Amino acid sequence: QQQVKQSPQSLIVQKGGISIINCAYENTAFDYFPWYQQFPGKGPALLIAIRPDVSEKKEGRFTISFNKSAKQFSLHIMDSQPGDSATYFCAAGSGNTGKLIFGQGTTLQVKP
Amino acid sequence: GAGVSQTPSNKVTEKGKYVELRCDPISGHTALYWYRQSLGQGPEFLIYFQGTGAADDSGLPNDRFFAVRPEGSVSTLKIQRTERGDSAVYLCASSPRLGTDTQYFGPGTRLTVL
Repeated sequence: QQQVKQSPQSLIVQKGGISIINCAYENTAFDYFPWYQQFPGKGPALLIAIRPDVSEKKEGRFTISFNKSAKQFSLHIMDSQPGDSATYFCAAGSGNTGKLIFGQGTTLQVKP
Repeated sequence: GAGVSQTPSNKVTEKGKYVELRCDPISGHTALYWYRQSLGQGPEFLIYFQGTGAADDSGLPNDRFFAVRPEGSVSTLKIQRTERGDSAVYLCASSPRLGTDTQYFGPGTRLTVL
């Protein structure tokens, strides 16, 4: 019940295209869903996060779509750029602890 | 000021040795988290602190792992009798408060047990 499943494992997108990464969770106690971006040799950095009271959140080229009934959420990267090439992790947490359960990660490559 | 810092950046040790990994959180952050990231995997929760106390250590794999935060700022993760399976990147994160504040991660310590 603590798992967060992420797909795909890897993704190749052309510059200007849309990158979509999906995650699913089981524990309905989760109420915080962040996405982290990680470059090689660096720690993860928060990209965008959503809470279950909204179905979508947009920040610049990054959008989270959230489906509470399906227990799924996804990251959309519009107008993907080579600088977006990194590993992306979804995560889930509960508000009273901040303890995060991470997905397995998606390695994104944006080709110029 | 500065972000989360972790020292050393790399640590190579021999099986059976003892290691200490240090985390300096962002000044003023009361919550501190340790995660472990194996190659090609997402970070795995180990322990978190609210102030000086370990609020949840359920992620520590066994009693060879221990962490402290004696003054509510710097934290040290201690691993006794290291095993080859302990090889991973150990990440530290801090946030202003416990809960869903943004967690700011350090660059990690890459531990290699030979």
